[in-house]
Amino acid sequence: SQQGEEDPQALSIQEGENATMNCSYKTSINNLQWYRQNSGRGLVHLILIRSNEREKHSGRLRVTLDTSKKSSSLLITASRAADTASYFCATPLGKAGGTSYGKLTFGQGTILTVHP
Amino acid sequence: NAGVTQTPKFQVLKTGQSMTLQCAQDMNHNSMYWYRQDPGMGLRLIYYSASEGTTDKGEVPNGYNVSRLNKREFSLRLESAAPSQTSVYFCASSDLRGEAFFGQGTRLTVV
Repeated sequence: SQQGEEDPQALSIQEGENATMNCSYKTSINNLQWYRQNSGRGLVHLILIRSNEREKHSGRLRVTLDTSKKSSSLLITASRAADTASYFCATPLGKAGGTSYGKLTFGQGTILTVHP
Repeated sequence: NAGVTQTPKFQVLKTGQSMTLQCAQDMNHNSMYWYRQDPGMGLRLIYYSASEGTTDKGEVPNGYNVSRLNKREFSLRLESAAPSQTSVYFCASSDLRGEAFFGQGTRLTVV
């Protein structure tokens, strides 16, 4: 069963605007990851946030994690047409912990379209 | 530095045929994974290998087998393909920093 659920399923914005995507999950986790997938390509890792972190930044990306609400958000600021892609949150599959960070369960993703 | 390489990129099989999807990584990662991605379903883990010599089932292992040939290579075999196995298959490997690296995918159609 899939743990993460992204919201919205699709988001369409203009270049320069901010894009916010949300992810909810069901069980306790020790980390949460966000990935991007361009059409027809493999997934690219964006950021990992650990359960003891509330917020993390990477360039134009800001990720928050609220473990009490079992939710995370990904904010892309000043979006560009090149940000057009699907965005997935992923949480550890099975027992939290261990070193197999790629053992993940994914949500269905948010399709982001940025219009020039 | 090629990262994770999958072959083939596309494949059409008839029901009942068998095939092996190949995956190799050149990043010296211990852990490797096979996922499938279906429309509207996100990615689901088929099998994984935490280290050379070990393999374990993921969420959807039925109909598949895997082999961790060495540290670099992890193959996925369909013994008797079924239309329900039509999907895009991704291989991945992960490092200890928490980042998983994905291949470009194999688009498999079973008719």
